[in-house]
Amino acid sequence: DVKVTQSSRYLVKRTGEKVFLECVQDMDHENMFWYRQDPGLGLRLIYFSYDVKMKEKGDIPEGYSVSREKKERFSLILESASTNQTSMYLCASRPDGALSYGYTFGSGTRLTVV
Amino acid sequence: AQSVTQPDIHITVSEGASLELRCNYSYGATPYLFWYVQSPGQGLQLLLKYFSGDTLVQGIKGFEAEFKRSQSSFNLRKPSVHWSDAAEYFCAVGPWSSASKIIFGSGTRLSIRP
Repeated sequence: DVKVTQSSRYLVKRTGEKVFLECVQDMDHENMFWYRQDPGLGLRLIYFSYDVKMKEKGDIPEGYSVSREKKERFSLILESASTNQTSMYLCASRPDGALSYGYTFGSGTRLTVV
Repeated sequence: AQSVTQPDIHITVSEGASLELRCNYSYGATPYLFWYVQSPGQGLQLLLKYFSGDTLVQGIKGFEAEFKRSQSSFNLRKPSVHWSDAAEYFCAVGPWSSASKIIFGSGTRLSIRP
């Protein structure tokens, strides 16, 4: 069964900490995505990557960075966590060339910054 | 600009009743359209998708959706809901190239009345 795995379901971090959210997919997908989900705002794209070491900003990249050193792993980094980054974070992946495929999502990481 | 609108933030229906969730999109060409479902505390699961052919598409869990080009709509339906259908539902459109992203609506939360 194909899978997107997010390493943590729940995280609590302190303001100012550097936070790493990890996502691993086992489907050999080229494209990977990080979204945050907030009530009433739906899913907002933070960053995406269409190849190793390639990244593009999404709609709300401020305060975040990403790393993709290997095809299967896409990390989201909060350089200095703030309380307004408390949210549900969702990782997704999609194969290249299959435009009708849609995304496969991970189960999400609920991050609380105190 | 491409966009997706889900006009209903929250809907409550009785168990066994029929369901229709609305989705309207703005897009420059024939879109790829998706419906996803998110159970509480979980990631998103693909319910169904449309990219060509028959405008009535069948999905998992007994859901179907109809693409109406003239109305720019892709409404989700189910003839008889079950308590386990309580979740949040997201309509999405795209991608329009191999390196681009899907745009999500803001979601409709479905509650089931016993």
